[in-house]
Amino acid sequence: NAGVTQTPKFQVLKTGQSMTLQCAQDMNHNSMYWYRQDPGMGLRLIYYSASEGTTDKGEVPNGYNVSRLNKREFSLRLESAAPSQTSVYFCASSISYEQYFGPGTRLTVT
Amino acid sequence: AQSVSQHNHHVILSEAASLELGCNYSYGGTVNLFWYVQYPGQHLQLLLKYFSGDPLVKGIKGFEAEFIKSKFSFNLRKPSVQWSDTAEYFCAVNLAGGSYIPTFGRGTSLIVHP
Repeated sequence: NAGVTQTPKFQVLKTGQSMTLQCAQDMNHNSMYWYRQDPGMGLRLIYYSASEGTTDKGEVPNGYNVSRLNKREFSLRLESAAPSQTSVYFCASSISYEQYFGPGTRLTVT
Repeated sequence: AQSVSQHNHHVILSEAASLELGCNYSYGGTVNLFWYVQYPGQHLQLLLKYFSGDPLVKGIKGFEAEFIKSKFSFNLRKPSVQWSDTAEYFCAVNLAGGSYIPTFGRGTSLIVHP
């Protein structure tokens, strides 16, 4: 039982490049989330998926897209990376109010 | 708008000192309350939670938190910290019976010197 897994762990991109962050959970949770964590800003919700087949914007969705591929997987795509997207990205899942987090992806955009 | 405030952004303590981290929220209605901890280089994990019942909640590693409804507060406490408690601590709140999406505070960085 791996919980929530994320790939990659680290990534460096040049401005304008695209990439997809992958997230998978094996806990049969309905809801999945993408957050970014920046110093002094706490966790900010980018997108979430309340159930398979649905996605909704969070607090900071600009510059990102998501896909809920199936119940297990929820990916985050940066179409044209910008330095302002340098951050640590966490995926989380939940079946109720408690959230379970993945190990994070540290992304640097130069 | 719903918000969660953590007043202490950085706390530095020596081992064996007592700890109290503040968390206040502005929500209308019944709330669920959480403290999450993020050890250096690791992901967030649940420290403790309050849904209902006894307002004094015990969590892992000797932590506890007290829900004071009249003060809209859910402060985290530990009588005697250890070096291994060095971490970032996040308070989170959501509306009972509502969306599962919590509102997180900005976090408190705790450094414990041996």
